[in-house]
Amino acid sequence: QVQLQQWGAGLLKPSETLSLTCAVYGGSFSGYYWSWIRQPPGKGLEWIGEINHSGSTNYNPSLKSRVTISVDTSKNQFSLKLSSVTAADTAVYYCARGNYGWLGYYYYYMDVWGKGTTVTVSS
Amino acid sequence: EIVLTQSPGTLSLSPGERATLSCRASQSVSSSYLAWYQQKPGQAPRLLIYGASSRATGIPDRFSGSGSGTDFTLTISRLEPEDFAVYYCQQYGSSSWTFGQGTKVEIK
Repeated sequence: QVQLQQWGAGLLKPSETLSLTCAVYGGSFSGYYWSWIRQPPGKGLEWIGEINHSGSTNYNPSLKSRVTISVDTSKNQFSLKLSSVTAADTAVYYCARGNYGWLGYYYYYMDVWGKGTTVTVSS
Repeated sequence: EIVLTQSPGTLSLSPGERATLSCRASQSVSSSYLAWYQQKPGQAPRLLIYGASSRATGIPDRFSGSGSGTDFTLTISRLEPEDFAVYYCQQYGSSSWTFGQGTKVEIK
């Protein structure tokens, strides 16, 4: 059973860089896209970006200038960096697996999620 | 960017009742890439429906999805106590994901 374990700094000051890592256990790393999603307190879900095992990325246009997602296939891990954080970046950050393919029709969905990491930005 | 608008914002129902949740897209969405998630407090979202109408592994058959184009629906045929939660629709298009703002299903 695939599990995602995530970690990173939980308290940042404004202008610092947020850094989180997500490790994939119990399943294949290739053949999927790996996403980061965040959820501000009391609000909805916002997709940040995704990467595949080859390092191909897609980013949310609203965050693209500050986001870098990278992959380490030797460790089955992928990471998120978000620069110049402000209080508006305070959120629970989730990593998730994007499962895509063809079963007579195309499909793509996020079927495995990490437990989330709370990140607070405060001076 | 495709905007997903969910309605109602909150649905107050009793156990055993039927819940109908709506997700409307600002432009046509591929049904292949329309999914629904359930989220309970303090937990990560859980995939319920993918491809607009296919249930994910282990999801009870009281959950069903339908729709196409710009209008999609999640139906819970008979609410169980564990179904009271927030539900999000999600779509993928133009190499980008977007989520609806969520519908909270609360106990009346």
